[in-house]
Amino acid sequence: DSGVTQTPKHLITATGQRVTLRCSPRSGDLSVYWYQQSLDQGLQFLIQYYNGEERAKGNILERFSAQQFPDLHSELNLSSLELGDSALYFCASSGTASRASGGVWNEQFFGPGTRLTVL
Amino acid sequence: TQLLEQSPQFLSIQEGENLTVYCNSSSVFSSLQWYRQEPGEGPVLLVTVVTGGEVKKLKRLTFQFGDARKDSSLHITAAQPGDTGLYLCAGGATSGTYKYIFGTGTRLKVLA
Repeated sequence: DSGVTQTPKHLITATGQRVTLRCSPRSGDLSVYWYQQSLDQGLQFLIQYYNGEERAKGNILERFSAQQFPDLHSELNLSSLELGDSALYFCASSGTASRASGGVWNEQFFGPGTRLTVL
Repeated sequence: TQLLEQSPQFLSIQEGENLTVYCNSSSVFSSLQWYRQEPGEGPVLLVTVVTGGEVKKLKRLTFQFGDARKDSSLHITAAQPGDTGLYLCAGGATSGTYKYIFGTGTRLKVLA
């Protein structure tokens, strides 16, 4: 158990609809990342938040938006859903970055994911 | 755009065999991580390498970061069925965003 929770686990909806995915990071982690994983495109970085503010953006569509709340949980909103949006959506959290030998990194802990099916 | 390509994409081997998975890019990364993912679950971090040329060992798994910090390899000795899964490498951005780019993945199946 990574300590990151995601709800719901499964979501089935129709094209054109809007859904909200929720993520609670590990206790104490300030950063939250959202990823999309589909069979043909691997794990794609969508967006990162740090302590409520957007920190980095990846391949996130304009129909998608996210936010991180004061209690640090995050929500990913997907609207005008299309068949191609069907995928696994993962949230990850990380704590303080580590530094050594000129490198900087953090460890990301992933939640169990939300499987979205758009019919 | 930073891209990470993994090879091979699929690998099916017998228990006890050795294997190497490669992760290559034309970009420099501040760090390189390897994850293993099992069906229906999120990726789990195995290791982080930071220094060019760094080698880390985790039981039967050996990870190496290329000297130029553009590539990495994962070597598994005497593979076991429990090693079955999707192996992902992830490169850390050199800027301060701590954004990670994930590789295309290697799906490993170890047969008993």
